[in-house]
Amino acid sequence: AQSVTQPDIHITVSEGASLELRCNYSYGATPYLFWYVQSPGQGLQLLLKYFSGDTLVQGIKGFEAEFKRSQSSFNLRKPSVHWSDAAEYFCAVVREYGNKLVFGAGTILRVKS
Amino acid sequence: DAGVTQSPTHLIKTRGQHVTLRCSPISGHKSVSWYQQVLGQGPQFIFQYYEKEERGRGNFPDRFSARQFPNYSSELNVNALLLGDSALYLCASSLRTSGVTDTQYFGPGTRLTVL
Repeated sequence: AQSVTQPDIHITVSEGASLELRCNYSYGATPYLFWYVQSPGQGLQLLLKYFSGDTLVQGIKGFEAEFKRSQSSFNLRKPSVHWSDAAEYFCAVVREYGNKLVFGAGTILRVKS
Repeated sequence: DAGVTQSPTHLIKTRGQHVTLRCSPISGHKSVSWYQQVLGQGPQFIFQYYEKEERGRGNFPDRFSARQFPNYSSELNVNALLLGDSALYLCASSLRTSGVTDTQYFGPGTRLTVL
């Protein structure tokens, strides 16, 4: 069965500092990977996705993620965090030809000034 | 273009009652999925519908049911509500056919509180 692990429940970074949110997945075949962001009380907004090809993918709001098959990871990065990035971030995986997203438990990002 | 819309925004019910949640997908999207997000957890897949047929079901009891209409909008029904059904219910729509992995776009959700 597919699973997604986000090891960090909470992360606090200073505004302007770099950010890396970790995501590890468990799935034998080619995974399709997503990062979503959720502001308090809101739905999920897609940040970026990886289906195939270049393992470094660019997303919205200056985020990027790198797919590393050898480490079963899909970590999200941003070089300089803004206060408006404070939210909860979810990594998700879906199997090829499927549509059932399996989500991690989320990482809450706090940004301090 | 309008995104995925859901109604109502908030809902309060008591145990044993039933509830109907509604979702309108992005124009042109034919597939709708429902997810339950309990506080402090990631969303859990409930159902996927495409062309009015159920194409996937998560590990939820039979109290949960859904349907999709000819205009691709969808309803999620939950009978005999339990306290544990309190959650944010998210609807997601995607463009292409079932059997093809596609990007899902989420609505703002319906917050259900069961007292």
